[in-house]
Amino acid sequence: EAQVTQNPRYLITVTGKKLTVTCSQNMNHEYMSWYRQDPGLGLRQIYYSMNVEVTDKGDVPEGYKVSRKEKRNFPLILESPSPNQTSLYFCASSPTGVFLSYEQYFGPGTRLTVT
Amino acid sequence: RKEVEQDPGPFNVPEGATVAFNCTYSNSASQSFFWYRQDCRKEPKLLMSVYSSGNEDGRFTAQLNRASQYISLLIRDSKLSDSATYLCVVNAGGSQGNLIFGKGTKLSVKP
Repeated sequence: EAQVTQNPRYLITVTGKKLTVTCSQNMNHEYMSWYRQDPGLGLRQIYYSMNVEVTDKGDVPEGYKVSRKEKRNFPLILESPSPNQTSLYFCASSPTGVFLSYEQYFGPGTRLTVT
Repeated sequence: RKEVEQDPGPFNVPEGATVAFNCTYSNSASQSFFWYRQDCRKEPKLLMSVYSSGNEDGRFTAQLNRASQYISLLIRDSKLSDSATYLCVVNAGGSQGNLIFGKGTKLSVKP
């Protein structure tokens, strides 16, 4: 089954404790992206990757890191999480980002709470 | 500043009604336009891509007006299952990969 998977789905952590949220897709998609969704603010793009080893900042990259060492995986790293990073996170992929008219497939989301 | 603005909603309509959502975007260089649907606490799913000539898919019609930087979505003969939040999505001009989401408009279709 074609899908985007995220792990963990739920995470409660403490300020400053490094964490990684994994994202994996099995559709051989070139483009992958991370979003956060907050009440009243909607979905905001954190980072995106047009292909392996190519990553770019979205609108809210501060406090996050990403890497794209292989096509299927696009982990989101929070080196020192803070409470303002409490949010619902979505990973997405698309066949190509060169001309982004293709559908993005979203993962099920990761609900992160930082205390 | 890159912005995508949508009708604030919520829209509460009876079954069978026709409802229209509007979206404006600020970057004239944007080239990709979409409507996504999001059910409560679920991941967004593509409803329609929006093309310059306009496009229709069953009860759904999307229009793009580049001159006014305006996108619309029309839903005819609303069903209970159409109840969801509708998200307008535009790429930031000059960057195909940088996508801007509107805050969404909530639709509730009542029996």
